[in-house]
Amino acid sequence: ETGVTQSPTHLIKTRGQQVTLRCSSQSGHNTVSWYQQALGQGPQFIFQYYREEENGRGNFPPRFSGLQFPNYSSELNVNALELDDSALYLCASSLQGAREKLFFGSGTQLSVL
Amino acid sequence: GENVEQHPSTLSVQEGDSAVIKCTYSDSASNYFPWYKQELGKGPQLIIDIRSNVGEKKDQRIAVTLNKTAKHFSLHITETQPEDSAVYFCAASSGGTGANNLFFGTGTRLTVIP
Repeated sequence: ETGVTQSPTHLIKTRGQQVTLRCSSQSGHNTVSWYQQALGQGPQFIFQYYREEENGRGNFPPRFSGLQFPNYSSELNVNALELDDSALYLCASSLQGAREKLFFGSGTQLSVL
Repeated sequence: GENVEQHPSTLSVQEGDSAVIKCTYSDSASNYFPWYKQELGKGPQLIIDIRSNVGEKKDQRIAVTLNKTAKHFSLHITETQPEDSAVYFCAASSGGTGANNLFFGTGTRLTVIP
């Protein structure tokens, strides 16, 4: 069974740039969620995708957007990066019948300078 | 929205002793309460979960208890080992339609001293 994989593991960007983070869900999982984890904090919900559509969104501005592909993999895009966007971005997959039971990848550490 | 509070923020125990981490939640509609372990450089790993129709669940050295009336739940680790050292997060979800997203506590850094 393949777990959740994310790429890249680390990324450095400058303020105002755009970034795309990628995620492959665990085998058999059809739902993908993205979370932002600031240093020393718990993860915060960004959004969730199911059947290639956004299925719910947390308190994040529209410059955070996503995609889900037919193979259930997903992308997180962030436009107009701000310094406060520096964080660990976590992707989690789950089954539609148990959307809240999340299995996380190791994350992408994004630094915005 | 849901608000999850977690205590303590740091916890040091001697190897072999027990560790207890406590969380409270605010939304009475929450019905799913997982616990995650996060090691350095890794994502959170689900270690145990409990639903609101159950008061206690145990898996080897780990147990979780839930008090719906008081809106609090706890993680108990017995016979702690150095490899239990990590940051532990509690979370809550209200279920229903939509994303069923998790609301996380701020974490507890557990150190097991050999």
